Amino acid sequence: ETVLTQSPGSLSLSPGETATLSCRASQTINNNYLGWYQQKPGQAPRLLIFTASTRATGIPDRFSGSGSGTDFTLTISRLGPEDIAVYYCQQYDSLPLTFGGGTRVEIK
Amino acid sequence: QVQLQESGPGLVKPSETLSLTCTVSGDSITSYWWSWLRQPPGKGLEWIGYVYYSGITNYSPSLESRVTISVDTSKNQFSLNLRSVTAADTAIYYCARIFCSGGGCYWFVPWGQGTLVTVSP
Repeated sequence: ETVLTQSPGSLSLSPGETATLSCRASQTINNNYLGWYQQKPGQAPRLLIFTASTRATGIPDRFSGSGSGTDFTLTISRLGPEDIAVYYCQQYDSLPLTFGGGTRVEIK
Repeated sequence: QVQLQESGPGLVKPSETLSLTCTVSGDSITSYWWSWLRQPPGKGLEWIGYVYYSGITNYSPSLESRVTISVDTSKNQFSLNLRSVTAADTAIYYCARIFCSGGGCYWFVPWGQGTLVTVSP
C-alpha cells in the first residue's frame, strides 16, 4: 500500500500570501498519478488537481500542482478566506487507492 | 451534470450490517464507475471500493471481507453493505463517481454530500 504523508499538518497565512503544501509518497508514483482535493468545513471533498498538475474543471489558476516520483506539491497563490479548508492528496497509481492525512489551511 | 445523494440509517448497532444507497441523477449509472469512501469524524479519507454497472467490483483489502457494493440499474442507484460493524466504522460515508480508463481507476468527481453513520448500541 502506498502511504502518503502530507506536511505541514496545518499552516496559517495572511491574505494574499502563497501556501505551499507537500505530499510525499512511500514509493514512486508512476505517470504522476496523484490528485489533490479541497474539503471546506462541513462539505464533501472537491477535486482540484489530477495527474499532479492538471486543474479540474472550474478550478482557478491560483491553484497549481507540481512534482513527480515521490514528492508532490500543491501551491495556492493569493490566499483568500474562501481557501480555508483541509487539502488532501490521493494516489491512484496502485491499489488500494490511498489519501494523505491532510493539511489544514487557515487565514490569519 | 451528475449529482449524487446518499441515503440510509444514521444509527446502526454493533455487529449488524450498515446499508447505504447512493442515488445518481443527471446521467445513467451505466455510463461510469462508482465508489464509496468514508471519513471518521475529524479524520482523513478512506477509499472503500468501486463498482461498474456490470457488477465488476474492487474493494480495499482492509474492508474486503465485510463489504459488498452493488448496482441497481433500474433505479439508477448503487449500494454499500458493510457487515459486522463496530464503533470503528462510525464515519461520514460518501458516494462518488470515479474516473476509470484503460483498465485503471483514478480520481473522484463529483462527490455526494455525505451521510453520517454512527455505530452504537
